[in-house]
Amino acid sequence: DAMVIQNPRYQVTQFGKPVTLSCSQTLNHNVMYWYQQKSSQAPKLLFHYYDKDFNNEADTPDNFQSRRPNTSFCFLDIRSPGLGDAAMYLCATSGQGADTEAFFGQGTRLTVV
Amino acid sequence: TQLLEQSPQFLSIQEGENLTVYCNSSSVFSSLQWYRQEPGEGPVLLVTVVTGGEVKKLKRLTFQFGDARKDSSLHITAAQPGDTGLYLCAGASDFGNEKLTFGTGTRLTIIP
Repeated sequence: DAMVIQNPRYQVTQFGKPVTLSCSQTLNHNVMYWYQQKSSQAPKLLFHYYDKDFNNEADTPDNFQSRRPNTSFCFLDIRSPGLGDAAMYLCATSGQGADTEAFFGQGTRLTVV
Repeated sequence: TQLLEQSPQFLSIQEGENLTVYCNSSSVFSSLQWYRQEPGEGPVLLVTVVTGGEVKKLKRLTFQFGDARKDSSLHITAAQPGDTGLYLCAGASDFGNEKLTFGTGTRLTIIP
């Protein structure tokens, strides 16, 4: 059974039209991450939550926002998608402690037209 | 900012050959993880190394964590086509703010 579920798998949005990607987990993990991965590149951390504490990476554009209403759910909001925001967006969770495994969802591939 | 540089970025070798991938940083990590990612899927954990100098083996894969916990290596013996994929190291910090940062990645292709 999938433990980290991302919806949708594929998302097409218009240039400038707000879009929300969702992630849910059944692992009850404290930490949730959002990564952006462009073709042939490594995942780039956008932000992460440690419980309710939100941690934004310094180089994450303001266009990207996130919400975590409870332990199980986390959302990525892109307020005004540009062509450069087309990418795979990966959600991951991990437990407390640095030696725990990160579990990834299958990702949402975002296309901006 | 914690940066993890992997080398090589791309590697294409014949089946049966050996290879080593390196992951280097100027930062200290409490642990370092190696992931393998298939196209269209999320990364999947291969191993976690925690102690400086630690060596872990997973069948034909050998992972080592540097003594200073700033670098790591992945060695594959007798590579097989099924080893093809994107290999990512990731450094974990637990200094009051849990965070997992990925390396730049190594795309490995094994030619039958």
